[in-house]
Amino acid sequence: DQQVKQNSPSLSVQEGRISILNCDYTNSMFDYFLWYKKYPAEGPTFLISISSIKDKNEDGRFTVFLNKSAKHLSLHIVPSQPGDSAVYFCAASNNAGNMLTFGGGTRLMVKP
Amino acid sequence: GAGVSQSPRYKVAKRGQDVALRCDPISGHVSLFWYQQALGQGPEFLTYFQNEAQLDKSGLPSDRFFAERPEGSVSTLKIQRTQQEDSAVYLCASSLLGLGSYEQYFGPGTRLTVT
Repeated sequence: DQQVKQNSPSLSVQEGRISILNCDYTNSMFDYFLWYKKYPAEGPTFLISISSIKDKNEDGRFTVFLNKSAKHLSLHIVPSQPGDSAVYFCAASNNAGNMLTFGGGTRLMVKP
Repeated sequence: GAGVSQSPRYKVAKRGQDVALRCDPISGHVSLFWYQQALGQGPEFLTYFQNEAQLDKSGLPSDRFFAERPEGSVSTLKIQRTQQEDSAVYLCASSLLGLGSYEQYFGPGTRLTVT
């Protein structure tokens, strides 16, 4: 069973608009959530994270929102840029230093 | 460079051959992880080292998979008698050990194709 799910395999957004990527999880023991960005033929690159004690974390154009009661998190990118086009993975952990459990990824395409 | 490096980047093996994949973590990173990423899916955990100790190998799919990190730095993932279902990208990641050290830093991966 998938403990972390990204239900949208792809998303297309116009440059300058907001991109919203969603992620759902089932394991209530997860206490830390991360977003990674992946370009073709490269490894995932850490983007932003959030602890379960918070409901929002912001870093420049990127903001992650966590709704613990709904077991849902989202990544907002504003404004979206063509260079943001990549596959985005949501990941979760239940302890510092432990393995990450990943979702299946969402391919974001930002059109100029 | 200061990042995680992996070699080879691409490996083609005939079914039944043994392969060895290498990972050089970020200097000073105590924790090292191996993940397997099938086409169109997210990475899946294989095994975890803290220094030279293999603390979790619950994700290794079969006893044909073996990983080691004898001196607590470089790690090797070995796959014996490769099968077609082993075709995937193998990712290595490292992280600091300590309170709040959730972030893992990934290498570029080794793409293994078993023919």
